[in-house]
Amino acid sequence: KNEVEQSPQNLTAQEGEFITINCSYSVGISALHWLQQHPGGGIVSLFMLSSGKKKHGRLIATINIQEKHSSLHITASHPRDSAVYICAVRWASGSRLTFGEGTQLTVNP
Amino acid sequence: EADIYQTPRYLVIGTGKKITLECSQTMGHDKMYWYQQDPGMELHLIHYSYGVNSTEKGDLSSESTVSRIRTEHFPLTLESARPSHTSQYLCASSTGGAGAFFGQGTRLTVV
Repeated sequence: KNEVEQSPQNLTAQEGEFITINCSYSVGISALHWLQQHPGGGIVSLFMLSSGKKKHGRLIATINIQEKHSSLHITASHPRDSAVYICAVRWASGSRLTFGEGTQLTVNP
Repeated sequence: EADIYQTPRYLVIGTGKKITLECSQTMGHDKMYWYQQDPGMELHLIHYSYGVNSTEKGDLSSESTVSRIRTEHFPLTLESARPSHTSQYLCASSTGGAGAFFGQGTRLTVV
């Protein structure tokens, strides 16, 4: 049973749309990562959160510790945003990462 | 810009060959990880290290081995490659609170 749940699994949007990807986890964490993986396979770390909200360009990540939930938002989406977005958590009890199944995002022009 | 490197990026080899996948980071991170990922699937931890001379097996059973003789270097070795080892292998490093950094991955095909 995966203790990190992402939704949706697949998401198709039109260029310019506002996009939200969700991540829920089961128990206390020390940090949550949002990662981006392009078709070539390389993974980029977008954000690391332990509380609150972070913003980088058109990307915004939020986390609600009480609700054990995080969201990744993309404003004014663009075809180059098409990728797999992965949520990963570092549990409070250790330093290993547990990954969600990923969300395949396709942004059409 | 993350300074973690994997070589080779792509590798096609024959069954029975011994191979070593290289991973190096220049950030001085204590913690390093190897993940295996099949296309469209989750990342699975196969090995990790918390420092020099410290290595542990991860969640996914793997026939590979690792070593950590130097902080910056965490190679993964397959003694006898099989077609079932065909996958993408991702190396990562981290230190407390600083986030995780991933290499570009090695796509391995065993024929």
